[in-house]
Amino acid sequence: DAKTTQPTSMDCAEGRAANLPCNHSTISGNEYVYWYRQIHSQGPQYIIHGLKNNETNEMASLIITEDRKSSTLILPHATLRDTAVYYCIVRVRWRDDKIIFGKGTRLHILP
Amino acid sequence: SQTIHQWPATLVQPVGSPLSLECTVEGTSNPNLYWYRQAAGRGLQLLFYSVGIGQISSEVPQNLSASRPQDRQFILSSKKLLLSDSGFYLCAWSVGRGRGTEAFFGQGTRLTVV
Repeated sequence: DAKTTQPTSMDCAEGRAANLPCNHSTISGNEYVYWYRQIHSQGPQYIIHGLKNNETNEMASLIITEDRKSSTLILPHATLRDTAVYYCIVRVRWRDDKIIFGKGTRLHILP
Repeated sequence: SQTIHQWPATLVQPVGSPLSLECTVEGTSNPNLYWYRQAAGRGLQLLFYSVGIGQISSEVPQNLSASRPQDRQFILSSKKLLLSDSGFYLCAWSVGRGRGTEAFFGQGTRLTVV
């Protein structure tokens, strides 16, 4: 699976949009971008995934660049409960295989 | 709907004692199952994953072993715990049979070896 690069930490004011970047310059054509988050002392939670089109669900939006070498997870109106570590993972979908997590981005939502 | 159960939530064990953590999934068949460990302040480390009964892949050689005696049951074991085995242990599942997708995690077991 392709490697991802994320900032170590980010701050965002409560009520503002949180934009979390992820670089995956070696992504291959059949690899999807997945986002998870881990709130302190809990198991990671799946957020969203996409291949090349932008995606939106009730939790977040995922913007993938046209060349697919980077993506941005957007939390439109961040709340204190969004404080967590956010992981970007690139992997082939529809395959039974290991899922490897990187170090992620620690997002602090500031009151 | 699918649910994943992991127990116990917390565990304190002496060095040299055995360990058995159990994870079960309900509401799905032939899931892929995973065990992860997270040391204090560190990232998620994949320990084992399984695509079927009796099929275990080990990612990191260590003092732990895993077994899958039933389709939806995944067990993490150790014969003799070390201090370095302390951490947050997480079980996860994903859809299997070549339909592997996103993973869903249990609430974890916080293990302290003393």
